[in-house]
Amino acid sequence: TQLLEQSPQFLSIQEGENLTVYCNSSSVFSSLQWYRQEPGEGPVLLVTVVTGGEVKKLKRLTFQFGDARKDSSLHITAAQPGDTGLYLCAGAGDSWGKLQFGAGTQVVVTP
Amino acid sequence: GAVVSQHPSWVICKSGTSVKIECRSLDFQATTMFWYRQFPKQSLMLMATSNEGSKATYEQGVEKDKFLINHASLTLSTLTVTSAHPEDSSFYICSVATDTQYFGPGTRLTVL
Repeated sequence: TQLLEQSPQFLSIQEGENLTVYCNSSSVFSSLQWYRQEPGEGPVLLVTVVTGGEVKKLKRLTFQFGDARKDSSLHITAAQPGDTGLYLCAGAGDSWGKLQFGAGTQVVVTP
Repeated sequence: GAVVSQHPSWVICKSGTSVKIECRSLDFQATTMFWYRQFPKQSLMLMATSNEGSKATYEQGVEKDKFLINHASLTLSTLTVTSAHPEDSSFYICSVATDTQYFGPGTRLTVL
């Protein structure tokens, strides 16, 4: 089993501040996904990173995949209350289609 | 991506009864779907892989006779929780596997 460790578990910041969420593993993943989930809803895909060292930007969100494809980070610039949610990283490994999920990071952005 | 729906969105049942949850892929023919369970303030836990036209593959510790999965078409997979008990109360989410996984909106099950 490929274990994905996500940190921090909880993050509370004020609107306008920046934040970074980390996702680390000792295993190599063929791809890594980031999802955001709001209460009572299913996770929504934010991005998929595939290539080691890859950086993807989605408006104020920046995603990075480590060179060795074992870790990833999500950075949010100038956070807004709408960024509040549970952020989940998920890695795809050797079993086709199956994802290994991190424990999640609950982000709360207060006005 | 794929658009996925679930029905019902929430259900309350009595202990000992069975509950069926449907997962539909609205715009993609899905040979593989996944079923997850999520407890409050926790991440998703994979229960089983649903394969169209064949038996589902269950994760270790998940009782296949209690959580019956049927994937009879490329657009529909069902999860039936048999003889439900209060400890089965949870948020059940399905996903469709394409280039990655796209999730349904989830079903909140409460067993009294």
